[in-house]
Amino acid sequence: AQSVTQLDSHVSVSEGTPVLLRCNYSSSYSPSLFWYVQHPNKGLQLLLKYTSAATLVKGINGFEAEFKKSETSFHLTKPSAHMSDAAEYFCVVSDKTSGTYKYIFGTGTRLKVLA
Amino acid sequence: GAVVSQHPSRVICKSGTSVKIECRSLDFQATTMFWYRQFPKKSLMLMATSNEGSKATYEQGVEKDKFLINHASLTLSTLTVTSAHPEDSSFYICSARDYLAGATQETQYFGPGTRLLVL
Repeated sequence: AQSVTQLDSHVSVSEGTPVLLRCNYSSSYSPSLFWYVQHPNKGLQLLLKYTSAATLVKGINGFEAEFKKSETSFHLTKPSAHMSDAAEYFCVVSDKTSGTYKYIFGTGTRLKVLA
Repeated sequence: GAVVSQHPSRVICKSGTSVKIECRSLDFQATTMFWYRQFPKKSLMLMATSNEGSKATYEQGVEKDKFLINHASLTLSTLTVTSAHPEDSSFYICSARDYLAGATQETQYFGPGTRLLVL
């Protein structure tokens, strides 16, 4: 069965410092992994996705993530946090065993950016 | 591209009434749409998978007679909460997959959500 674990429910960083949001996955096959961001009372916006191409994936707004099979990780990073990055972040794995590729969500990480 | 809209964005209704929420893919066709429910400060819970022209597939524990889903066209799916009660108050979010991107295109594009409050 597929699953993702977001190791931190809350992360606080100062503006201008690096961001690291951790995600580990469990999958019996090569997974497709996604990071989404959700601002308050808004829907989810796709930041980036990994679908078995390059292991270092670049997304929008300066975010990137690296797929590490040996560590079963897909951590999200950004070199310099901006106030507008404060939001909820979800790591997602696509369930390829279902014919419709259902998403399996992590529990989310709330990022707080301090001025 | 890949924009999904939802209407209404917020709705308040009385207990016992029914509420319909629309989900539209604006610039692509979606044979498959998904409906999620999100509780405050929680992750998204998949309620059902909606396929154009066929019956929706509900997740375990979701009452199909209470949450009616219709996917009559490649760009529109609706969720009707029947006989709503206060415990149905929640944030409902839909998503869609781009049909023309191919059967293996797994990316889902999400709508902005509908906040339902049942009094």
